Amino acid sequence: GIQVEQSPPDLILQEGANSTLRCNFSDSVNNLQWFHQNPWGQLINLFYIPSGTKQNGRLSATTVATERYSLLYISSSQTTDSGVYFCASTGANNLFFGTGTRLTVIP
Amino acid sequence: IAGITQAPTSQILAAGRRMTLRCTQDMRHNAMYWYRQDLGLGLRLIHYSNTAGTTGKGEVPDGYSVSRANTDDFPLTLASAVPSQTSVYFCASSAQQGSEAFFGQGTRLTVV
Repeated sequence: GIQVEQSPPDLILQEGANSTLRCNFSDSVNNLQWFHQNPWGQLINLFYIPSGTKQNGRLSATTVATERYSLLYISSSQTTDSGVYFCASTGANNLFFGTGTRLTVIP
Repeated sequence: IAGITQAPTSQILAAGRRMTLRCTQDMRHNAMYWYRQDLGLGLRLIHYSNTAGTTGKGEVPDGYSVSRANTDDFPLTLASAVPSQTSVYFCASSAQQGSEAFFGQGTRLTVV
């Protein structure tokens, strides 16, 4: 299956700081998703982004499919941004998940 | 609110017992999936169904079975639970295989 690597594995930010999370994938993919798993365990859809750039408020994502990576940008971070961020790419009958980036935003 | 509903939210189960985790979606999605999430291992696919009446095995299918009698429901059964099946289980659906996936709230299962 597709290998998905995320970096960094852990990130601690002061509230108000910006950050970039990276997702590398091993093969060409038809689509890519970013999720936020909040401290209560819920998986929240952030972006469905096979290619190009999308923005939603303080969050934006860019996928460069030809170079097999995607970036998630978080600007002006807030404590509610804490949790684990996963990227996942679609292969045959499966979403292949990375092991996530654990983000902690401190006030 | 449209979405995916899983039940129960959590369960403690004696080893050797049979258990069915329920999953219902009201988005008329064709594809449905069951994942387990374990610390340090991310989410791994157990079984999937691309359309009602069909199912397939994922990465970690042993000890689990599924059925897809209709579009909305995709139950996951543990025939004889073992402690290694202690995990958080997520059900997901997408309009079709490969399109955007949406997840339920999860079921935390502890097998003792």
